[in-house]
Amino acid sequence: EDKVVQSPLSLVVHEGDTVTLNCSYEVTNFRSLLWYKQEKKAPTFLFMLTSSGIEKKSGRLSSILDKKELFSILNITATQTGDSAVYLCAVRTDKLIFGTGTRLQVFP
Amino acid sequence: DTEVTQTPKHLVMGMTNKKSLKCEQHMGHRAMYWYKQKAKKPPELMFVYSYEKLSINESVPSRFSPECPNSSLLNLHLHALQPEDSALYLCASSQDGGPSSGANVLTFGAGSRLTVL
Repeated sequence: EDKVVQSPLSLVVHEGDTVTLNCSYEVTNFRSLLWYKQEKKAPTFLFMLTSSGIEKKSGRLSSILDKKELFSILNITATQTGDSAVYLCAVRTDKLIFGTGTRLQVFP
Repeated sequence: DTEVTQTPKHLVMGMTNKKSLKCEQHMGHRAMYWYKQKAKKPPELMFVYSYEKLSINESVPSRFSPECPNSSLLNLHLHALQPEDSALYLCASSQDGGPSSGANVLTFGAGSRLTVL
């Protein structure tokens, strides 16, 4: 059965800290890995990764994929209170399979 | 237009009611999805429509009935629901639903929060 696992389940940090969120997967027919941020309602797209070792970057967020070891990480540097959200990793096969999510809380 | 619009935002219904959730996108996307999300859980796939045909049904009970009248619209008809069906129902769309669509990003709507009494 296809599986996507995220760790940690929750994280509490202070503004300015750097965090690393982990996503590991075991799926058949891997096509891509996506990161989403969910605050109150709709998940909003952050990154899509298809190739190993190529870092995607957007401002203070970056992500990389390792297809040999079957994991991805999402880094957030200099965290702000607005980064507080649930971060969802999802793996695209013929469907989109979500991980359990990491709940990040950033305090001033 | 880069949005997926869902209506209603909130719905309260009794177990004997019949209601529908609606989803609309005008991005020219040819794949549309229904997900169910319970509190503090990730979204779970229910249905996928590709080119207006149902391509995936994740063994969803028949009290949920999807419909795709055209490439821009997706409905979810609800009948005889149970209280445990209360959840946030998310609609999403992607550019393509075919075999080459693995790299396509899903765009999500804001969801319809359903409460079944």
